Amino acid sequence: QQQVKQSPQSLIVQKGGISIINCAYENTAFDYFPWYQQFPGKGPALLIAIRPDVSEKKEGRFTISFNKSAKQFSLHIMDSQPGDSATYFCAATLTNAGKSTFGDGTTLTVKP
Amino acid sequence: DVKVTQSSRYLVKRTGEKVFLECVQDMDHENMFWYRQDPGLGLRLIYFSYDVKMKEKGDIPEGYSVSREKKERFSLILESASTNQTSMYLCASSLQGINEKLFFGSGTQLSVL
Repeated sequence: QQQVKQSPQSLIVQKGGISIINCAYENTAFDYFPWYQQFPGKGPALLIAIRPDVSEKKEGRFTISFNKSAKQFSLHIMDSQPGDSATYFCAATLTNAGKSTFGDGTTLTVKP
Repeated sequence: DVKVTQSSRYLVKRTGEKVFLECVQDMDHENMFWYRQDPGLGLRLIYFSYDVKMKEKGDIPEGYSVSREKKERFSLILESASTNQTSMYLCASSLQGINEKLFFGSGTQLSVL
């Protein structure tokens, strides 16, 4: 059973456009929802994260929207830039267990 | 900045060999993790450890074991490597009590021939 489902698998966006990546989770015990960004040859790095008591979190051009009732959350990248081209992973964490379950990843390409 | 160092960037081994993947973190983190990354499958947790000499199975522990003799070092062991263990292996660490944020190493690309 896949606990975190991520879509789309790949995404191509023009420079200046909005990139949207979606995730859905199964386990309502998850209490922390991070997004990681991974560039080729590097390990993933935390980009932005949200807790389920808020519906939205914004950091610069990156926004997480969270819908607790639907068990869904999404990453929005405004004014997408070629430097945002990377693989993005959503995750859901059980903080008391310290365990994170990851989505399958989305490869984002931002065309200049 | 936290640094998580994996000993090898690329590794080529033969079927049946015993393989050691080493990971060292320099920020005194209690928690350490081993993930494998495969295209289209995301990151899957193999084993994790909350403290020295402690280990817990993740989602895909079969064919792997781990060792944590010192707080800063977490080793992944493939007792008898098989071709289906060809993958990117990522080590991560996090701070106890603030264990949401994972710090990852750059990964080891293992090829088993």
